Amino acid sequence: EVQVVESGGGLVQPGGSLRLSCVASGFTFSNYWMTWVRQGPGKGLEWVANIKGDEIEKYYMRSAKGRFTISRVNAENSLYLQINNLRAEDTAVYYCARILYSPYNNCPLIDYWGQGTQVTVSS
Amino acid sequence: DIQMTQSPSSLSASVGDRVTITCRASQTINNYLNWYQQKPGKAPKVLIYAASMLRDGVPTRFSGSGSGTEFTLSISSLQPEDSGNYYCHQSYGSLTWTFGQGTKIEIK
Repeated sequence: EVQVVESGGGLVQPGGSLRLSCVASGFTFSNYWMTWVRQGPGKGLEWVANIKGDEIEKYYMRSAKGRFTISRVNAENSLYLQINNLRAEDTAVYYCARILYSPYNNCPLIDYWGQGTQVTVSS
Repeated sequence: DIQMTQSPSSLSASVGDRVTITCRASQTINNYLNWYQQKPGKAPKVLIYAASMLRDGVPTRFSGSGSGTEFTLSISSLQPEDSGNYYCHQSYGSLTWTFGQGTKIEIK
């Protein structure tokens, strides 16, 4: 059974840092792109970052560059998101998820999501 | 960045009604368009991928259509369990993705 489980969220002061973790199981982790998606309180989904299985390619939302770093350790089936200089607008549930490439037309989709970890930025 | 405009932002319909949600992309996205359903307090779940492909296990009352820049999600006969939020998601654009703003479906 495919599972992804996030951890590492919490209450952080503005300007602080946080490292979110995600442990995956039930599939060959290194073969899959992975993604982080966030959702602010009462808001919609916002894509944050993607990382290829071999970690060579990484992509970020425009507003993430410079403060967010996505990484992975395949030997530990783990995905990470380092967030620096946290701002109030970073308050959100952060989801770790697996990316699947459709055999139909190679369209990427998010097929398995974790339950999310809450990040609250407040003084 | 590719922008996604989703409408309506909310709708209220009765059990058995046909409902349609629309998503428009700011440029062509080669049918790299997915639809997700999200229940309160839960992670999203993919319903439709590649614009029109039904994900395994998803009821056949859900369908997707469209190409280029205009896409729709339809529910042929709305059921009580279909209440929730729905999001379109473009996965084209050099792996810099965007979601639509979401549509909240309420059952009358």
